[in-house]
Amino acid sequence: DAKTTQPNSMESNEEEPVHLPCNHSTISGTDYIHWYRQLPSQGPEYVIHGLTSNVNNRMASLAIAEDRKSSTLILHRATLRDAAVYYCILRRPFSGTYKYIFGTGTRLKVLA
Amino acid sequence: DGGITQSPKYLFRKEGQNVTLSCEQNLNHDAMYWYRQDPGQGLRLIYYSQIVNDFQKGDIAEGYSVSREKKESFPLTVTSAQKNPTAFYLCASSYSRGGAGGTEAFFGQGTRLTVV
Repeated sequence: DAKTTQPNSMESNEEEPVHLPCNHSTISGTDYIHWYRQLPSQGPEYVIHGLTSNVNNRMASLAIAEDRKSSTLILHRATLRDAAVYYCILRRPFSGTYKYIFGTGTRLKVLA
Repeated sequence: DGGITQSPKYLFRKEGQNVTLSCEQNLNHDAMYWYRQDPGQGLRLIYYSQIVNDFQKGDIAEGYSVSREKKESFPLTVTSAQKNPTAFYLCASSYSRGGAGGTEAFFGQGTRLTVV
């Protein structure tokens, strides 16, 4: 089954850019790449998604490799509020709806 | 404000008891999901429903049951058959395929279930 692979943890200094990598070598053509983040004892929060092209929104940027087997979430200026577990997820069409396939996530620590 | 609400936030269960976790959404989403999260791990799919009166097993459905009598509600029952129920449970909703609207899933704040 498709899955995503991420580093267990990363550290960044406040106000510096952060690049969070994700490998999804078994991605299929109809899978969208989603990123969510989760604060302690809360539900995951949507960050960004893409299919083939790089994407920008007010929270972050998403860079997708040309072969789609990897992607990178970019936080342009990390703040203390960005400390969370970041999940790279494949959203797959499944039986009339979607299946969201989670990996184990990257715990981001932001240093003041 | 639209959103998805889970209750209770904390729940304690005695051995052999069934407990029901509530999930309500007012986002007009057709699809709803239940996930289980264990410490240090990602989310695993328990059940999902794409429409009222229809639901399907996910990857770890054994020991759980659900119902979908209303579009807004998707309660999860953790039965006594679930041998290791202590976990963080998350409910989510999204538009179904072909529906209008955004692509992301919205998650509730979770219910932490502990067996005592």
